[in-house]
This record gives sequence, C-alpha cells and structure tokens, in this order.
Amino acid sequence: DSGVTQTPKHLITATGQRVTLRCSPRSGDLSVYWYQQSLDQGLQFLIQYYNGEERAKGNILERFSAQQFPDLHSELNLSSLELGDSALYFCASSVTGGGDTIYFGEGSWLTVV
Amino acid sequence: GQNIDQPTEMTATEGAIVQINCTYQTSGFNGLFWYQQHAGEAPTFLSYNVLDGLEEKGRFSSFLSRSKGYSYLLLKELQMKDSASYLCAVTEGYQKVTFGTGTKLQVIP
Repeated sequence: DSGVTQTPKHLITATGQRVTLRCSPRSGDLSVYWYQQSLDQGLQFLIQYYNGEERAKGNILERFSAQQFPDLHSELNLSSLELGDSALYFCASSVTGGGDTIYFGEGSWLTVV
Repeated sequence: GQNIDQPTEMTATEGAIVQINCTYQTSGFNGLFWYQQHAGEAPTFLSYNVLDGLEEKGRFSSFLSRSKGYSYLLLKELQMKDSASYLCAVTEGYQKVTFGTGTKLQVIP
C-alpha cells in the first residue's frame, strides 16, 4: 500500500458524459501528479500540482481539467468523454515534486461505452 | 521536451541476469527513476539515480551516465515474479516526471 488513495477504482460511463476522479496523496506529500495509461501503452503525464498550484502540464486535453484543494487532495475532471478516453488513470504523490520519489495509487479504471 | 527510449520487450531465463537499457534526451536533467509495473497494477519505485555510477539494491542495480544520456537496470538471479514492465522516467528541472513507454520483461523457466 503506497498510501495514495484513488476513487473510484472502476467506472463505466457513456460517451459524452463527465466524470470526476479523486485522489488523496500520502500524508505529508504536497505534490500530486496525474497520469493516463491506455491498454498496453506507457504512462502519459497529464498534470502536476504542488501545494494547490499547477506546476507542470503535459499532454492533457482541453476536455480534461484538474485541481488540488487546500487539504491537498486532487480531482481530475474528464468531460465530453470519448471511447478513446478509456484508460487507467493514475494519481501519484511526492513530498516536494522536485525529484523525490513518486508513489502511485492503485489507479482508476475508466471504461467509456 | 524529453525523448526516452527503451526496448519494447525482452525475454530472459529464470536465474539469469538481464540488463534493460534506457537512453534519454532532455534539457535540465535532474535525475532518473526506474519503476516496476505488473499488468494492471500501480508502478512501484525501484531506484532513483542523480549522480553517475552504479547503485545496488539487492538483486536490482541501476546505472547512470549523465554525459551519455544513458541508464540501465540490472536484474540478477531472475525470478518468475520479475516478469513485468520496467519503466524509465526522467525528471526535468524540478518539474514534471516523464516516463518512457516501458520494457516488458518476460522471465521463462
């Protein structure tokens, strides 16, 4: 158990819908990362937050948005869902986000039908 | 931006040694991670190299050459449970961590 908690673990939704994935980082970690992993694909970096502020942005679609709240939990919002958005979404956290070890949650499986 | 290259797949025999290479091109290199990921599971941390040289941790060792943009992960005394994907990831500056596509290792009896 890495200490990073993600909910829901599994989610099935229809095209065009909107979902929110939630992440609680490890206790003491200030930085949160979001990654997308499609079937048999590598981890695609989406976005990173540090202490509530966006720190780095990767290949995140405009239909996706995220935020980190004052209590440091984070949410990833996916809207106007398409079949290709079906993937495993990982949240990860680290203490500073400055090159220290990143710990991953178990992921949220999203299936768009 | 960053460019990270790893072999897609490798096969090795139980009890043997395998070396998984990773080459990268990046500006503002800070360090390099190796993670292990079993199918459908979360990546788990193996090592983090910042300085040149070899770091050994049990059956796993990781090497870094910053001047060559090169790293490898060495797995000794392979076990069946080592069958997994091994991900190389590079930190750029003090910001985003970018992962390679991973090397799928199959350990055979």
